[in-house]
Amino acid sequence: AQSVSQHNHHVILSEAASLELGCNYSYGGTVNLFWYVQYPGQHLQLLLKYFSGDPLVKGIKGFEAEFIKSKFSFNLRKPSVQWSDTAEYFCAVNASSGGSYIPTFGRGTSLIVHP
Amino acid sequence: EPEVTQTPSHQVTQMGQEVILRCVPISNHLYFYWYRQILGQKVEFLVSFYNNEISEKSEIFDDQFSVERPDGSNFTLKIRSTKLEDSAMYFCASSGPIQNTGELFFGEGSRLTVL
Repeated sequence: AQSVSQHNHHVILSEAASLELGCNYSYGGTVNLFWYVQYPGQHLQLLLKYFSGDPLVKGIKGFEAEFIKSKFSFNLRKPSVQWSDTAEYFCAVNASSGGSYIPTFGRGTSLIVHP
Repeated sequence: EPEVTQTPSHQVTQMGQEVILRCVPISNHLYFYWYRQILGQKVEFLVSFYNNEISEKSEIFDDQFSVERPDGSNFTLKIRSTKLEDSAMYFCASSGPIQNTGELFFGEGSRLTVL
């Protein structure tokens, strides 16, 4: 079964700072990878996803993530954060073949951006 | 944009009481899920449901839990006799309609507090 680790549990940044949130997974087969975001008082929503192809994927609101297969990583980045990026960020992975399609989530990273 | 809706948003109950959490998935989706998040911990998979039956469940989903799709729209999670450790945010999600890629659409969650 797959598992996901998010190493940064709480991140505090000032506006315009750069962001990188770590995500590592363990699974021996091919995977689909996701970042979800939960803004205060709202539902979890998809930020970006990787299924195949270009390992650098771009999502909404200027976020991007890079899949590095050799490192089993899918880190989320944004060059310049805004106050409105304050939210909880979740990395998730599911097996794209030969395994469970059920996504496994990390524990989340709480990001606070100070204006 | 279609969305997953959950009720209630917050429920407080006494230990040992039965609780039913309700979800209305996106109408043309075929796969339904319940996840939960205990405060400060991972988002944990509970159960998935497809074609009117449970397709997968985690070890958390013991005999105290059940799911039902009583009509064409609602998807419910029942906890028969709540325990203190059931206090958590419960998220309903759906995906589909054709292939289960692992991309989920979440509701806003139901916060359950067991006293």
